[in-house]
Amino acid sequence: AQSVTQLGSHVSVSEGALVLLRCNYSSSVPPYLFWYVQYPNQGLQLLLKYTSAATLVKGINGFEAEFKKSETSFHLTKPSAHMSDAAEYFCAVSWTQGGKLIFGQGTELSVKP
Amino acid sequence: AAGVIQSPRHLIKEKRETATLKCYPIPRHDTVYWYQQGPGQDPQFLISFYEKMQSDKGSIPDRFSAQQFSDYHSELNMSSLELGDSALYFCASSPPGSGGNQETQYFGPGTRLLVL
Repeated sequence: AQSVTQLGSHVSVSEGALVLLRCNYSSSVPPYLFWYVQYPNQGLQLLLKYTSAATLVKGINGFEAEFKKSETSFHLTKPSAHMSDAAEYFCAVSWTQGGKLIFGQGTELSVKP
Repeated sequence: AAGVIQSPRHLIKEKRETATLKCYPIPRHDTVYWYQQGPGQDPQFLISFYEKMQSDKGSIPDRFSAQQFSDYHSELNMSSLELGDSALYFCASSPPGSGGNQETQYFGPGTRLLVL
């Protein structure tokens, strides 16, 4: 079955440190890949997406992600964490254009001062 | 920019009651999706509509039904509510394929349903 795995349900970094949130998907066929962020008691906001163009994708708030087909990965990074980055991050995949999203389990990011 | 609108934002119901959740997609978006997010869980796909026709169905209980209307808004009807239906229900919409962005789903703020 198609699935998405986020390694680490909770990641804690210091302010100014590198943020790395991991996402792997289950198929060798390049899908559509997304990262969404969810702040407490809010909806899902799109951070960035990969749709078979450049493998390095830049998103909002300084985040970027790199699609690696050989590793079936789409890890999210940010060079320098900010306190406002504390939130839940979801990796999501769709295998068809306009199809349903399958979400990873989510990673809660904490940023320490 | 206009976003997806969901109403109500919060809803409290008793067991065995019914609930109707409404979703108004971004203007000119023709596809609507419904997701359920339980406490501490990832969102799970329920059902989707394209041009007012059901396009896909996920793990939606038989007690739930949904439809998309001529103005593209969608309603999720939930009957015989159970305690386990307490969750955050998201609606998302995506634009037509001709726009080249059909794969991107834009989410509303969600409706938080509490069943007592």
